[in-house]
Amino acid sequence: NAGVTQTPKFRVLKTGQSMTLLCAQDMNHEYMYWYRQDPGMGLRLIHYSVGEGTTAKGEVPDGYNVSRLKKQNFLLGLESAAPSQTSVYFCASSSTFSTNEKLFFGSGTQLSVL
Amino acid sequence: GQQLNQSPQSMFIQEGEDVSMNCTSSSIFNTWLWYKQDPGEGPVLLIALYKAGELTSNGRLTAQFGITRKDSFLNISASIPSDVGIYFCAGFFNFGNEKLTFGTGTRLTIIP
Repeated sequence: NAGVTQTPKFRVLKTGQSMTLLCAQDMNHEYMYWYRQDPGMGLRLIHYSVGEGTTAKGEVPDGYNVSRLKKQNFLLGLESAAPSQTSVYFCASSSTFSTNEKLFFGSGTQLSVL
Repeated sequence: GQQLNQSPQSMFIQEGEDVSMNCTSSSIFNTWLWYKQDPGEGPVLLIALYKAGELTSNGRLTAQFGITRKDSFLNISASIPSDVGIYFCAGFFNFGNEKLTFGTGTRLTIIP
């Protein structure tokens, strides 16, 4: 029962470097999401996907790109990392885009940009 | 956009004490959710509320959907060490631009 798996768990970047966070789910969920968590801010939606090959902007999309080439994977990319992107990133998935279906979260990726 | 304010931001209690926290919104929601985040893990859903005035329990946890639809409350009775973590409320308004909005979190610490 893997559920939602995120890699890596920790990463340190220098300003301007790029990286990709990988999220994989084995529950055959249609919907996948990327959130960032900052102290005192709660969880904020970056981008989401309603199915393979689709992506959409969330609340705080600037500086990030995403891709959903396969149903089970949702990638979050930072092309040119900035210190403001230091955060904990969570991937989540759900079977429908509804509160009747709960979100399943990964265990998070802690990213520091120096 | 909508904002959810949770209070208190943090709590330090002794094992066995009851805990109360609340969440208030600047606008109404149709659904309220309460999540718990253990250290180093992602949030896990505890309770979902779908109707104004609804009171729902999950073991020692009880949550209520406020009558005004702008607030929700979570109570934990007889706290135990495994209750430590961050508790998030989340609200959903499913008419039009559906979006789940998370609160700022309440960090619960239990003093032995």
